[in-house]
Amino acid sequence: DQQVKQNSPSLSVQEGRISILNCDYTNSMFDYFLWYKKYPAEGPTFLISISSIKDKNEDGRFTVFLNKSAKHLSLHIVPSQPGDSAVYFCAASASGNTGKLIFGQGTTLQVKP
Amino acid sequence: NAGVTQTPKFRVLKTGQSMTLLCAQDMNHEYMYWYRQDPGMGLRLIHYSVGEGTTAKGEVPDGYNVSRLKKQNFLLGLESAAPSQTSVYFCAYNRGRDSPLHFGNGTRLTVT
Repeated sequence: DQQVKQNSPSLSVQEGRISILNCDYTNSMFDYFLWYKKYPAEGPTFLISISSIKDKNEDGRFTVFLNKSAKHLSLHIVPSQPGDSAVYFCAASASGNTGKLIFGQGTTLQVKP
Repeated sequence: NAGVTQTPKFRVLKTGQSMTLLCAQDMNHEYMYWYRQDPGMGLRLIHYSVGEGTTAKGEVPDGYNVSRLKKQNFLLGLESAAPSQTSVYFCAYNRGRDSPLHFGNGTRLTVT
């Protein structure tokens, strides 16, 4: 039973355009959501997070949107840069300990120059 | 990634062998975690610790043991390795219950 799903294994966008990565979840007890970025042979790097009491959080080029009624979150990257090419994981927490995460399968983003 | 150091970086084991993975930190963090990453499955929590001398099970604890005798070190043990434990293992910490995880660079383990 996959509680966090990223249904698109890969995404390709042109440099300068918007990248939109999607994530769906099934557990209504999740109250904290995060996005991680991972380069090959490195550990995941924290990118941005959002609490369930908000519907949007921005940090520079990165914005996360949360739609609780649809159990859906998305990560927008504007403008996309070649250095953004990586695997992106969404993750969720329900336990009050944000280290106990349930991860999606990941989406590989390729930004073409 | 700053914050935790994982050793070894790579290891090949035969079925039935044992080994210990070490995660060391020098930032006095209380909360530490072991995750594994498999292709197409994202990361899954194996065990975690909320302080020296404490450990708890995560999502996929079977076949693993952990110890946190000193706050600085969180050890993950495989007593009898199986091919299903072929994976990349990541250690992580967070600065408190409400802060995001930060990961080490991983240990790639192959069990033949």
